[in-house]
Amino acid sequence: DAGVIQSPRHEVTEMGQEVTLRCKPISGHNSLFWYRQTMMRGLELLIYFNNNVPIDDSGMPEDRFSAKMPNASFSTLKIQPSEPRDSAVYFCASSLMGNEQYFGPGTRLTVT
Amino acid sequence: SQQGEEDPQALSIQEGENATMNCSYKTSINNLQWYRQNSGRGLVHLILIRSNEREKHSGRLRVTLDTSKKSSSLLITASRAADTASYFCATPPRGNTPLVFGKGTRLSVIA
Repeated sequence: DAGVIQSPRHEVTEMGQEVTLRCKPISGHNSLFWYRQTMMRGLELLIYFNNNVPIDDSGMPEDRFSAKMPNASFSTLKIQPSEPRDSAVYFCASSLMGNEQYFGPGTRLTVT
Repeated sequence: SQQGEEDPQALSIQEGENATMNCSYKTSINNLQWYRQNSGRGLVHLILIRSNEREKHSGRLRVTLDTSKKSSSLLITASRAADTASYFCATPPRGNTPLVFGKGTRLSVIA
């Protein structure tokens, strides 16, 4: 298996622009997680899905953030409009039945 | 909220020495997991220890769990420069809920 795939790996955008991050979980996994990592705040869970259904989005910082999982093999995290404080590394992870999580390589987002 | 807290925040050792990292958590757990993160990469699962286990080994890794003290330790024996990374503990609350990660221990192994 190729593991969790994220795209793009790097994104540089200007404040106010829309940003879409993409994730393909490991085939057969039924849970998907979106995290944000910064030096100041560490690793934060933004939202997670079980069987394509959003379960808890309490970690989503603002209404500017939204996530979807239209099917078992694809998820997106969208920021609209983006702000400089959104600069971080965004990770997607998947797991099977709540066991160990497998992380993607991350998307490094820079908002100028 | 339930959270694992690693100690120390940073650790620097010579190659060949053992490295010990500790994790404390707040409430009852089903299992505790340790992850490693190399600079600029995603986290990688190392080992999972269940609440009814006291010790587990995987290669040069040894994990202990003391549920009475709500703590765990990760021992890396005969460390190598390639072990340089950040190490996180993570605990899932009971039920089908996601992991909560600590802030990690940054380990530097000097050749």
